[in-house]
Amino acid sequence: NAGVTQTPKFQVLKTGQSMTLQCAQDMNHEYMSWYRQDPGMGLRLIHYSVGAGITDQGEVPNGYNVSRSTTEDFPLRLLSAAPSQTSVYFCASRLAGGSSYEQYFGPGTRLTVT
Amino acid sequence: SQQGEEDPQALSIQEGENATMNCSYKTSINNLQWYRQNSGRGLVHLILIRSNEREKHSGRLRVTLDTSKKSSSLLITASRAADTASYFCAPNSGGGADGLTFGKGTHLIIQP
Repeated sequence: NAGVTQTPKFQVLKTGQSMTLQCAQDMNHEYMSWYRQDPGMGLRLIHYSVGAGITDQGEVPNGYNVSRSTTEDFPLRLLSAAPSQTSVYFCASRLAGGSSYEQYFGPGTRLTVT
Repeated sequence: SQQGEEDPQALSIQEGENATMNCSYKTSINNLQWYRQNSGRGLVHLILIRSNEREKHSGRLRVTLDTSKKSSSLLITASRAADTASYFCAPNSGGGADGLTFGKGTHLIIQP
């Protein structure tokens, strides 16, 4: 299994540009989440999904859109990039229910908005 | 889910020494997880302790949980340079899909 993969690894955008951060997992996990991590901070939840077709907002959703058309993929879209969105973005997934709550994280996408 | 607060924020020790970091949280939990993040990488799950457990071991890791004090500790014994990383706790109140919440973590540096 590749686990959770994210592309691209690095990205530089100009203010106002849009882009999509890709996230995919091959573990058949129902739950997927997007986080952002700013220097010296913990991870803040942006959006999450409990399954295909179902998404919900996390702590800091403004400026981001998500969709979940398949179990495997959970792309994050920046509609109009702003310097405040400069951050490292992590995608994570886990199984629904059961006794395991372990989250699996991707390697991250480092985004700079100028 | 609720955010845990790790303490200390930074810890520097000599290789071979033991490292202890603590986590406090506010409301009752179902389980508490510890994660490690190496520089520039994603978080990696280390260990999970359930609310009805008081202590758990995994290799050189020992986790304790005191639900009466709403606190947990992570002990890394015989530290190695490769243990240099940030460590995060994630108190989990249930099986909610809304992801875990992470604080600022403890940044551990192992001096050679």
